[in-house]
Order: sequence, then structure tokens, then C-alpha cells
Amino acid sequence: QQPVQSPQAVILREGEDAVINCSSSKALYSVHWYRQKHGEAPVFLMILLKGGEQKGHEKISASFNEKKQQSSLYLTASQLSYSGTYFCGTASSGNTGKLIFGQGTTLQVKP
Amino acid sequence: DAGVIQSPRHEVTEMGQEVTLRCKPISGHNSLFWYRQTMMRGLELLIYFNNNVPIDDSGMPEDRFSAKMPNASFSTLKIQPSEPRDSAVYFCASSSSGGSYEQYFGPGTRLTVT
Repeated sequence: QQPVQSPQAVILREGEDAVINCSSSKALYSVHWYRQKHGEAPVFLMILLKGGEQKGHEKISASFNEKKQQSSLYLTASQLSYSGTYFCGTASSGNTGKLIFGQGTTLQVKP
Repeated sequence: DAGVIQSPRHEVTEMGQEVTLRCKPISGHNSLFWYRQTMMRGLELLIYFNNNVPIDDSGMPEDRFSAKMPNASFSTLKIQPSEPRDSAVYFCASSSSGGSYEQYFGPGTRLTVT
């Protein structure tokens, strides 16, 4: 079951903050966040694991509510380079790397 | 490290032709994933391998699609015969095993079937 991301799109001015949400109907082992710029491949940002461990980007923060099967990505003091499409990928098992990706959230940061 | 390598980067072919996409994962990674990305369907997992063995091919759309991983450093995704609806960007990604490891994506192959 594909996770649901919200919002679908957001436009910001430089320096503003944004929150992107990812919600699943299945119990989750981990949530992965990726950013994709137009014409490029997705790039890893962060992993949040069941139990609270996090791995990833120092300047980006995220949360993972295991009980609600939800994750949020926090982008603070946005820069022009933050523009792109953000995807969450969810894994239901720690034994495999199989990820189901959400439909994406397009973020545009304007000067 | 060179990252995940895919070839060709662009492929234009006519309906009915066979198409073969190639992928070299990052050395030391033992999981390999093939994804397809379209505007309509987003980023879909087609198949993934662990230690060269196909683990889950439930995302492969139909029998026209097949994938192999003959060794740890090479995988192919074949479409035969190709159809216009197969037009998409196909990504290969690799990682260490398990759901707690990040996936590294290749640059993708943009396939156009006319």
C-alpha cells in the first residue's frame, strides 16, 4: 500500500520553513526520505528506524511516530537548493530493503 | 566510488523491439533494485535482488519484462516486445541488505518507445 504524502506541492520564499508529511496504513519498520531534482535521480536524505534511530543529513530533521505510522520531514530556513520533489519510502520489514514510495511532494523555493 | 552505473542513458526504440537496460551496482552492496518512474504512476519498484537472487518481482508489470543478475556486479532489465506505454525513466539502485540502509540510485535510463 502506497504511503500518502501531504501536501502535494508547496511554494516558499528563501528562509521560510516547511513540513512534509508521510502516512502509511501499514505497520512500519523504517521511513526513508529522498529528494529528486528535475531530470536527476533521487538522492538519499534520511532514514528513521523503528525504535528511534536516525541516519542522514545533518541540516534536515525528521520525526517518526511508530504508533501512528507517520513521518514528517522538517525543512527549516529553506534555501534555493532545497527545491525539488521529496519522496518518502516505507519499509515494513527490517529484513528486506523493499521500499514503497509515496507520490512525492514538490517544493519550490523562490528568492 | 563511481556510484551506480546505468546504460544506456537514453534509449529510443520502435514498438515491438527488444530493449535491454544495464546496471552496475556499487561494489560491496548486496541488494539491487529496479524502479520505473512515470508522471502518472510515480516511482514504482519492479523487482529487487538480494545476493544476486530475485526476492520480489511482484512489481514487474507483465511477462514482457524480465530481469537477471548473473553476478554481484551486473544486472539487466529486458523488455520484449516493447510497447509505447513502457516509456518511462528506469532507475537502478543498490544498497546493503535490509530496511535500515539507504539506497543509492543510478542516473536512470530514459526509455522512449514510439
